[in-house]
Amino acid sequence: DAGVIQSPRHEVTEMGQEVTLRCKPISGHNSLFWYRQTMMRGLELLIYFNNNVPIDDSGMPEDRFSAKMPNASFSTLKIQPSEPRDSAVYFCASSLRTGTDTQYFGPGTRLTVL
Amino acid sequence: SQKIEQNSEALNIQEGKTATLTCNYTNYSPAYLQWYRQDPGRGPVFLLLIRENEKEKRKERLKVTFDTTLKQSLFHITASQPADSATYLCALEENTGNQFYFGTGTSLTVIP
Repeated sequence: DAGVIQSPRHEVTEMGQEVTLRCKPISGHNSLFWYRQTMMRGLELLIYFNNNVPIDDSGMPEDRFSAKMPNASFSTLKIQPSEPRDSAVYFCASSLRTGTDTQYFGPGTRLTVL
Repeated sequence: SQKIEQNSEALNIQEGKTATLTCNYTNYSPAYLQWYRQDPGRGPVFLLLIRENEKEKRKERLKVTFDTTLKQSLFHITASQPADSATYLCALEENTGNQFYFGTGTSLTVIP
């Protein structure tokens, strides 16, 4: 298995632009997680899905952030409009289900908003 | 407020020694706790899980303990090697729901 796939690996954009990050979870996994990692705040859970349904989005910082999972093999995290404080590494992870199952992380997308 | 605190300073140890990393939590009731390893430029990789009713778990050179009274987990790497150099993250899930929280990590360097 190729593992969790994220694209792009790096994104540089200007403030105010829309940014879309993409994730393909491991086939057969039913749970998908989006995280943001910064030096100051560490790894923060933004939102997670079970069977393509958003379960908890309380970690989403504000309305500029939105996430979708139209099917079991694809998810997007969108920031519109982007701001410099959104600069971070964004990770997608998947697991067989939530609970005690191991989360498998993708390589991350390093986002820089100028 | 809720907090997960790991060794705030980077940890440097000599090859062959045992590295001990600390994870303390406040105002959580974890069902279990996990430890992950993260290398620069990569996502975290799962290492070990320990449940609230377990006191100790081992895997090869790794050992994790979990003390719910002290609200602390210790992560030990015995016979450490330079290849063990990485950032180690603890994470927990509360037994009241599916929220998952990570500590800020401890950077470990094993000196040859």
